[in-house]
Amino acid sequence: QLQLQESGPGLMKPSETLSLTCTVSGGSISTNDYYWGWIRQPPGKALEWIGTIYSRGSTFYNPSLKSRLIMSLDTSKNRFSLILTSVTAADTAVYYCVRSRVKATPADHFDSWGQGTLVTVSS
Amino acid sequence: QSVLTQPPSVSAAPGQKVSISCSGNSSNIGLNYISWYQQFPGTVPKLLIYDNNKRPSGIPDRFSGSKSGTSATLGITGLQTGDEADYYCGIWDSSLSAYFFGTATKVTVL
Repeated sequence: QLQLQESGPGLMKPSETLSLTCTVSGGSISTNDYYWGWIRQPPGKALEWIGTIYSRGSTFYNPSLKSRLIMSLDTSKNRFSLILTSVTAADTAVYYCVRSRVKATPADHFDSWGQGTLVTVSS
Repeated sequence: QSVLTQPPSVSAAPGQKVSISCSGNSSNIGLNYISWYQQFPGTVPKLLIYDNNKRPSGIPDRFSGSKSGTSATLGITGLQTGDEADYYCGIWDSSLSAYFFGTATKVTVL
């Protein structure tokens, strides 16, 4: 059974760079059948799509985050990562890594989710 | 700011039916497949409906999805107290090149 597990810093200061990793077990991120991505949810607020990466390295980013965002794959360790620069309090959220089946659009439906990791940005 | 609008809340008595609407436009609902997610407080969202009206394995047929024009609807029949949760619609917007979730609807069982 597929499992996704996020790891990250927990607490950060404004202007720092957020680095999150999602380790995948029970399936290969090299598959051509799925995209991998990130979704976040600020406390008490709605879900927000961050971005998607494909096994061949193609990336699709939320335009509102694109200037600060880099996503990458590490197929040797079966994991993918997110880097978000210059964080502010507005980036405080639970960050989920997810899987999405490859369809006509870069993100379609998210059928597997990690447990989520809370990232708090505070001075 | 989401491109998908949902009612903040809906409610009904146990055993009754609720419908949750998700309103969009021709660049999202009018063009692509919609999906629906259920989220209990403090837990991970779960996929309920994909491709407008398909249910993943394990999702009871009390949950159904439909789409017409630029709107979609999630229906829950035989409402149970265990259905009290937040529900989100989600879709790719081809004009904005981004995926959006709706504004969330809280279901309350009276």
